[in-house]
Amino acid sequence: KNEVEQSPQNLTAQEGEFITINCSYSVGISALHWLQQHPGGGIVSLFMLSSGKKKHGRLIATINIQEKHSSLHITASHPRDSAVYICALGVDDKIIFGKGTRLHILP
Amino acid sequence: DAGITQSPRHKVTETGTPVTLRCHQTENHRYMYWYRQDPGHGLRLIHYSYGVKDTDKGEVSDGYSVSRSKTEDFLLTLESATSSQTSVYFCATQQGYYGYTFGSGTRLTVV
Repeated sequence: KNEVEQSPQNLTAQEGEFITINCSYSVGISALHWLQQHPGGGIVSLFMLSSGKKKHGRLIATINIQEKHSSLHITASHPRDSAVYICALGVDDKIIFGKGTRLHILP
Repeated sequence: DAGITQSPRHKVTETGTPVTLRCHQTENHRYMYWYRQDPGHGLRLIHYSYGVKDTDKGEVSDGYSVSRSKTEDFLLTLESATSSQTSVYFCATQQGYYGYTFGSGTRLTVV
């Protein structure tokens, strides 16, 4: 069984659209991370959340601890946002990664 | 990220040979991790370290060993490389609640 599930697995949208990526989990966590990986590229940490909501530029991340659910939103999406977005759970000293959501923004 | 350097960036090696990958950090972070990334599996933890000479196994540790003799260096060794160890390897560090920083990755091909 998977402790962290992301949806959708793949998402294609037009430039300018509002994007939502979801992450559901089943274990107790100390924090939840959203990461970004461009094709052939490294991994960048976008957010670390333990409660509430965080915003950075056009990116917004929310978490509901009671429902064990987090969302990553991208406003006014742009082709440069095309990447794999990974939800990861902080559990004790380790993190458990989701399999990622592949986002493709069309110009 | 400038705080973590992985070397080499690419390596092709033959089955049965030993291989060592290096992760070097300049942030003085206590925790360091080695992950492998494979299609369909996402990132999986191989080994991690919570201090000098303090290491522990992750979920896919078979065939791998690690060493951390200095805070800044975390080495991953494949004692006898196999084709199943062809992967992209990422090092990461973590300090308190400042989140994780990842290296640029090492692409290893075992032929």
